[in-house]
Amino acid sequence: GNSVTQMEGPVTLSEEAFLTINCTYTATGYPSLFWYVQYPGEGLQLLLKATKADDKGSNKGFEATYRKETTSFHLEKGSVQVSDSAVYFCALSDYKLSFGAGTTVTVRA
Amino acid sequence: NAGVTQTPKFQVLKTGQSMTLQCAQDMNHNSMYWYRQDPGMGLRLIYYSASEGTTDKGEVPNGYNVSRLNKREFSLRLESAAPSQTSVYFCASSDSDTYEQYFGPGTRLTVT
Repeated sequence: GNSVTQMEGPVTLSEEAFLTINCTYTATGYPSLFWYVQYPGEGLQLLLKATKADDKGSNKGFEATYRKETTSFHLEKGSVQVSDSAVYFCALSDYKLSFGAGTTVTVRA
Repeated sequence: NAGVTQTPKFQVLKTGQSMTLQCAQDMNHNSMYWYRQDPGMGLRLIYYSASEGTTDKGEVPNGYNVSRLNKREFSLRLESAAPSQTSVYFCASSDSDTYEQYFGPGTRLTVT
C-alpha cells in the first residue's frame, strides 16, 4: 500500500536559516504529492503540491520537487521566519491521502 | 465561502456516552473524509465518502459510524465512547479531479 516517511522532529532553527524536511514515499502508480502545514490550534492547510514527476511545487517561499527516481518530495525554504513555526505534513494521494507523521518546526527570533 | 465547518470545537465525554460530530462543506465537493490526529502518528483516516450515498472504511474505523446525509454534510458518530478515542478529529473534503483536500478547524474530544 501507499505510505509516506518524513523526517522526525522537532526541528529548531534561528530566523533566516535554511530549512529542509525530508519526505520519501512508497506508492503504486503515479500519485500526487502534497505538503500541508498546521499552525497551532488550527486545521491543516495545503502548502504546495506536485502532480507528476519533476514538477516543482512552490508557495510562500517553500519549494518541493517530485523526484520519481528517488521517490522523494523534500520541502525546502531558504530563509525561515518566526511565522513559519508549525507542523508540516507530507502526503500522497491517489483518491485518499496518506500522511507522514508530521515534523514540528520552531523558528526562534 | 465558509469552506469546511465542524461542530463542536471541544467536547468532553464520559466513557460509554455517545455523540455525533458534524461536518459541512460549501465547495460542492463530492468526497468527504474523517481523520483523527494523535501525537506522533500524523492523521489517520477513519471513514470516507467518495460521493453522496456511499461510505467506506479507512485505517481505523472501529468504534465509529458515519452518515453522508447529503452532498454537503458528513457526520461521525461515537456510539459508546472510550478513552482511546480521545483525539483531535478533522473533517475534510476534496474535488475528485485534483485530490486536494480542504480541512475543517477540528474537534478536540476528551473521553474520561
